[in-house]
Parts: sequence; C-alpha cells; structure tokens
Amino acid sequence: KQEVTQIPAALSVPEGENLVLNCSFTDSAIYNLQWFRQDPGKGLTSLLLIQSSQREQTSGRLNASLDKSSGRSTLYIAASQPGDSATYLCAVSELIQGAQKLVFGQGTRLTINP
Amino acid sequence: DTGVSQNPRHKITKRGQNVTFRCDPISEHNRLYWYRQTLGQGPEFLTYFQNEAQLEKSRLLSDRFSAERPKGSFSTLEIQRTEQGDSAMYLCASSWGLAKNIQYFGAGTRLSVL
Repeated sequence: KQEVTQIPAALSVPEGENLVLNCSFTDSAIYNLQWFRQDPGKGLTSLLLIQSSQREQTSGRLNASLDKSSGRSTLYIAASQPGDSATYLCAVSELIQGAQKLVFGQGTRLTINP
Repeated sequence: DTGVSQNPRHKITKRGQNVTFRCDPISEHNRLYWYRQTLGQGPEFLTYFQNEAQLEKSRLLSDRFSAERPKGSFSTLEIQRTEQGDSAMYLCASSWGLAKNIQYFGAGTRLSVL
C-alpha cells in the first residue's frame, strides 16, 4: 500500500527566505507526482506536476524535483512571501481503470512572517 | 468554464440523519473523483467515475455511502445514518484525459455531525 509522508508538518519562516518542503513515498511505481496548495477551508490548487520520467518542474518561484528511485520529492520556494502561507500537499498517482488515484501526504502547514 | 462546483459548502446534521452532497464537474470532463479530508490530514480517495460508470471504490466507502453520476454529468454522494466519524471535508475533482491528469478540485463540502 502506497504511503506518502511530508516533513515537516509545520514550518514558519521570515519573509524573503528560501525554503524546502519534503515528500517521501514508499512505492516507486508511480505515474506522476503533484504538489498542491490548500488555503484554509478551501479546495486544492495544483502547483506543479512531475511525470515519472521527469526529474523536475519549475513555475515562477517554485521548483519541484523528483527522485523516483529513492522515493523522494522536494518543493523549493524561493524568496518567500506572506501570500505563500498555506498548506502544501504532495500527492503521487496510481493507475486505476483508465484514470489515476491520488495518494496524498498529510501536508506541511507553511507560515511566512512579514 | 466556472470550475468544479460543490453544494452545499457546509452541512450540519444530527447523528443518524441522511445527507446528500452534489458535485458539478467542469463541463466535458469525463472523469469525476470523490475524496474525504479529515482535519490535519491529506485527502483520501473514496471513489471514481468515468462518465456514468463507477469504476473504483475505496474500502473507506462503507455500505452507508453511495455515489451516483447519472448521465455522466453531475454526481451525488449520499451518507446514510451519519456518524460523528463522518465529519470531514468532502472534496470532488474532475479531469479529462490520462496523460497529464490534472485533477481540478472543488472547494469542498464540510460536514459536521453532531
């Protein structure tokens, strides 16, 4: 059974700092890996998707890496801003009957202090 | 395209009552997913539809839970004889195509069972 773990559970940093969020998964047979953002009481917004054949993806100040063999991914946020405060969720996808089931970690709650 | 819509946003019910949630996916998305998220945890997969066919169900979906997607458009999730442990955020997502599998999430329905 696939298990996804995110470390740390919570992180608080001053504005402007660069930071790294970690995600690990137990079964390397994944189709892809996604990082999501969730604001309090809201749904999920996809930030980056890395196909299993890729090593990294970048979008603006965000960079996500994937090492399938070791079962790890990192999300790097450069020059953090207060608006980045949210919960960040890592999810790996498993193939199911014509689609993909997402298996999520428990999230990292990020607070950027002005 | 107004995104994935879920109704109601909040539902408070007494233990033992039945509740029904609705999800309207992005138009022309043929795949629809239900997830459940408890406080402080990541979402967990419940079930998946391709068009009107329910192709996958998690063991989390007990006999008290039933989901439908008539005509392959909107979907409903019904919980019968609610229990306090059913209190959670119920998230719906939809997608089109397999390759990139971006699942677009709704804002969720928060259920509180008293």
